[in-house]
Amino acid sequence: GAGVSQSPSNKVTEKGKDVELRCDPISGHTALYWYRQSLGQGLEFLIYFQGNSAPDKSGLPSDRFSAERTGGSVSTLTIQRTQQEDSAVYLCASSLRASVWELFFGEGSRLTVL
Amino acid sequence: SQQGEEDPQALSIQEGENATMNCSYKTSINNLQWYRQNSGRGLVHLILIRSNEREKHSGRLRVTLDTSKKSSSLLITASRAADTASYFCATDEASGTYKYIFGTGTRLKVLA
Repeated sequence: GAGVSQSPSNKVTEKGKDVELRCDPISGHTALYWYRQSLGQGLEFLIYFQGNSAPDKSGLPSDRFSAERTGGSVSTLTIQRTQQEDSAVYLCASSLRASVWELFFGEGSRLTVL
Repeated sequence: SQQGEEDPQALSIQEGENATMNCSYKTSINNLQWYRQNSGRGLVHLILIRSNEREKHSGRLRVTLDTSKKSSSLLITASRAADTASYFCATDEASGTYKYIFGTGTRLKVLA
């Protein structure tokens, strides 16, 4: 596609349920990033991929969070047993390579945990 | 933890005035980027400056980088109401991991 695509754009779930957020990067972009942004706050780094491997998972808040990327393309961020504090906008970005290149962002997935 | 912090947190100016926002960071970097965010959704890349550069221009934007002070500034000249947005700096740590850490952002409001 022309840009980074994220789905769903909005997700409301009940506490304790699992959710999956999907990111489809720009074709040909080898690096993919996940960030979380709470209301009115800055971006919190979660994880990034170069190809299918994740050199840095240090930002994942807990073991309830996991992410994978297959075929060097689509990535899925999974949150298990969601908690209310997980409510935020989850932003995905891709870049040509994980070095000195600009990041292209999707519009985000807004997650609300009731 | 946040690598960068922007200052001020919020800025309100009249259309036509210049807007300056600053970013400070903690570790050595390869490059620093500035992004703009409207309405809390996707971010748009504005400008990238490498660690061996001191100043860069793009249209009405001017970015400076002082690696000795670990700081950068973004100047928007002749601001317009459409420049109203949040502005973030992002840095990569020069440790080879290439993750980009974003600052806390400056909320700019340009009054018509």
